[in-house]
Amino acid sequence: EVQLVQSGAEVKKPGESLKISCKGSGYSFTSYWIGWVRQMPGKGLEWMGIIYPGDSDTRYSPSFQGQVTISADKSISTAYLQWSSLKASDTAMYYCARYGKLLPIGGASNWGQGTLVTVSS
Amino acid sequence: QSALTQPASVSGSPGQSITISCTGTSSDVGGYNYVSWYQQHPGKAPKLMIYEVSNRPSGVSNRFSGSKSGNTASLTISGLQAEDEADYYCSSYTSSSTHVFGGGTKLTVL
Repeated sequence: EVQLVQSGAEVKKPGESLKISCKGSGYSFTSYWIGWVRQMPGKGLEWMGIIYPGDSDTRYSPSFQGQVTISADKSISTAYLQWSSLKASDTAMYYCARYGKLLPIGGASNWGQGTLVTVSS
Repeated sequence: QSALTQPASVSGSPGQSITISCTGTSSDVGGYNYVSWYQQHPGKAPKLMIYEVSNRPSGVSNRFSGSKSGNTASLTISGLQAEDEADYYCSSYTSSSTHVFGGGTKLTVL
């Protein structure tokens, strides 16, 4: 069974750094793209970026380029989303999702449970 | 890139059919057959309902169907059921090798 298990909820202060994780299992982690999606409170889904764990090829939405860093450690089948300096506006639920095999196309067939990030002074 | 355009809300009675539109540009919806639709119930993760414009993943009811014409994709739900009440999002692959979501549509089953 394909599973994506995300790290737990985080409460941080503005200016702090953060790295959240998404561990894949039940499939060849290096062969499928993993994407990250933001959902701010009461708002819609926003596509942030995507990574191919096989070679760490990464694509970012223009809205998130330079604001976050997406990475992956294929040795432990885990993808990451990180911030160097959080802002209150980063408060949101963050989802990871598994996309296509080899190419970053098609739908996201499997989703993590979400990680709630709260940034407040 | 701008979000795809969806109606904020649609509604229908049980047993009826509804259609949700998703309008983009030739750089996303119109340029690729990689439009997907997701269902999201409150407090839950999104669920893939349609991929590559009109394909249903295993386990998704055949009451859900997708289509595309030009820069507009559509999701049709026939035989509406109470459990279909949720938010629906379209998404498309883009010419920048990224993806983009629509703003979301709240479906109310009357």
